[in-house]
Amino acid sequence: KAGVTQTPRYLIKTRGQQVTLSCSPISGHRSVSWYQQTPGQGLQFLFEYFSETQRNKGNFPGRFSGRQFSNSRSEMNVSTLELGDSALYLCASRHNSGQGSYEQYFGPGTRLTVT
Amino acid sequence: SQKIEQNSEALNIQEGKTATLTCNYTNYSPAYLQWYRQDPGRGPVFLLLIRENEKEKRKERLKVTFDTTLKQSLFHITASQPADSATYLCALTGGGNKLTFGTGTQLKVEL
Repeated sequence: KAGVTQTPRYLIKTRGQQVTLSCSPISGHRSVSWYQQTPGQGLQFLFEYFSETQRNKGNFPGRFSGRQFSNSRSEMNVSTLELGDSALYLCASRHNSGQGSYEQYFGPGTRLTVT
Repeated sequence: SQKIEQNSEALNIQEGKTATLTCNYTNYSPAYLQWYRQDPGRGPVFLLLIRENEKEKRKERLKVTFDTTLKQSLFHITASQPADSATYLCALTGGGNKLTFGTGTQLKVEL
């Protein structure tokens, strides 16, 4: 099976702009989660989508939003970019098995630099 | 407040030795605890998951213990190799399937 893919891999934006990142989960996985990773804060949970519905949300401002499509692909959007939004954005997909296994499979990430 | 603590200092060990990494947590009652490996510039890779009613889990050279009384998990790599050098993250799953990560411990295995 193909792994989780994220596009683009690298992005440079200017303060005040907005950005959309894309994630394609592993085939058959219906849950997609997004994380922000920075050297100072580590991996922080943004939100999780399951069957096109947001199931969980982390402590990020409303500038961060996401959505999931019927084919489980997901996008996240950051509006009015700030310098502090520079980070590695990771997407992870999961398959809810009957045994309750919750391991997540991460994509390679999108490196966003805000100047 | 809830905290997940991993050794922020890098762990340097010699090839062939056993590496032991620690994950301590407070104000959590996790149903599951997971360990991931992350190489620079890449996404984390799932290694092991252990449930609250399991004391120990093994996979090849890896062993994880989970002590819900001490609120601690230990992650062991036996017969370590330079290829094991990476950052290792522990993560807790509580209610709502939300996964919260520790900041990770960098392991360096030297020849």
